[in-house]
Amino acid sequence: QVQLQQWGAGLLKPSETLSLTCAVYGGSFSNYYWTWIRQPPGKGLEWIGEINHSETTNYNPSLKSRVTASVDTSKNQFSLRLSSVTAADTAVYYCARGPVGATRGLIDYWGQGTLVTVSS
Amino acid sequence: EIVMTQSPATLSVSPGERATLSCRASQSVSSNLAWYQQKPGQAPRLLIYGASTRATGISARFSGTGSGTEFTLTISSLQSEDFGVYCCQQYNNWPLTFGGGTKVEIK
Repeated sequence: QVQLQQWGAGLLKPSETLSLTCAVYGGSFSNYYWTWIRQPPGKGLEWIGEINHSETTNYNPSLKSRVTASVDTSKNQFSLRLSSVTAADTAVYYCARGPVGATRGLIDYWGQGTLVTVSS
Repeated sequence: EIVMTQSPATLSVSPGERATLSCRASQSVSSNLAWYQQKPGQAPRLLIYGASTRATGISARFSGTGSGTEFTLTISSLQSEDFGVYCCQQYNNWPLTFGGGTKVEIK
C-alpha cells in the first residue's frame, strides 16, 4: 500500500520561502517521478514540477525561476521550495507519484495536501 | 503549453442516470489523457488513464473514450458516491496540464 505523507509550514508572509516535504511509504522509490501539484482555492490543478531518484528535475516554466525540488533517497523523501511567495501562491499543495515508462506523466498516488496561505 | 478545456462546468444528474463529461485539448495529446475524481477536502483519485483504461479498483460504471483532442468520461449509472469534481489531465507534453474540472452534483 503506497502512502504519501506531507508536511510543511501553512502560513507564510509575502517574500518568504515555501518549504514542503513528502515521505513515501510502500513501493519503490527509484522507479517513479516525484511530483508537486497545487490547487488555488476554488480553482483547478497546476503542475509545479517533478524529480526522480537521480535528481533529474522538470519544472513548470511559469514557476521555474522560483522552484527547487530535492530528494533524499536514504529517507524516501522529496521536498519542494518555492521562493518569494505572494498571495497568488496561496493554494493546497499536493505531493504525488508519477510512474515512468509508457504512462510517464500520469499521477497515480497523491498525498493528503497541505494548505499554504500567504498573507501579511 | 497545452490547454485542457472541460465542459460543462456543472452537471446536475439524478442518481441512476448517465453522466457524460467532455474534455478538449488545444492540440493533440494522442491517448495520453487521464481522468481524476476529487471530493471536497480530498486529494484527486485516478480513475482512467490512456484515455480508456480504468485504474485499479475503479468501477466498470466509469468509461473513457477519445483520442487526439476530444475525450469523454461516461458514468453509466450515477451512485451517491460518484458526486464530486472530475478533471482531465494530459501527459503527452510538458508542462503537464489539467482541465478546470466538471462538478457533478445531485439533481
